[in-house]
Amino acid sequence: DVKVTQSSRYLVKRTGEKVFLECVQDMDHENMFWYRQDPGLGLRLIYFSYDVKMKEKGDIPEGYSVSREKKERFSLILESASTNQTSMYLCASSFSDTGVYGYTFGSGTRLTVV
Amino acid sequence: QKEVEQNSGPLSVPEGAIASLNCTYSDRGSQSFFWYRQYSGKSPELIMSIYSNGDKEDGRFTAQLNKASQYVSLLIRDSQPSDSATYLCAVIPGGKSSYKLIFGSGTRLLVRP
Repeated sequence: DVKVTQSSRYLVKRTGEKVFLECVQDMDHENMFWYRQDPGLGLRLIYFSYDVKMKEKGDIPEGYSVSREKKERFSLILESASTNQTSMYLCASSFSDTGVYGYTFGSGTRLTVV
Repeated sequence: QKEVEQNSGPLSVPEGAIASLNCTYSDRGSQSFFWYRQYSGKSPELIMSIYSNGDKEDGRFTAQLNKASQYVSLLIRDSQPSDSATYLCAVIPGGKSSYKLIFGSGTRLLVRP
């Protein structure tokens, strides 16, 4: 069964902490994405990567960075967590032509910053 | 104008009825269209994809695409309470960004027993 695995289902962090969210896929997908989802705001793209060490900003990159050192792993980093980053974070992956099969999502990480 | 628009709902239907979910998109060059189902507190899961004008059926689900009118719809026949979820429409726009899905904000479906 193909999978996108997010390392934590629930996470509670303190304001100012550096937070790492990990995502691993076993489908040999070229593209990987990080979204956040908030009530009433839908899915918002933070960053995406179309190849190892390649990344592009999405719609809301401020306060976040990413790392993709290996094809199967895409990490989201909150440099200094703030309460307005409390959200559901969703990782997704796809083949280089997303239009063929769409995204596969991980199970999500619900992050609370206190 | 949003790139992908959906009525937020909730759309309430009785058990056994047909639920009809609609989505419009702004980029006339869009080529690929997807429907995702998202249960509360869970991540989206792909249920249908459609690429050509017309209907595509998979079990109780039918996706309909009309590129001339720029809309895509999802019909759920014999709706069950377990179909209660938010349904997200997603589109691959035309042009260079063929790897990035554009999502609508979702329609919440409630199936009453």
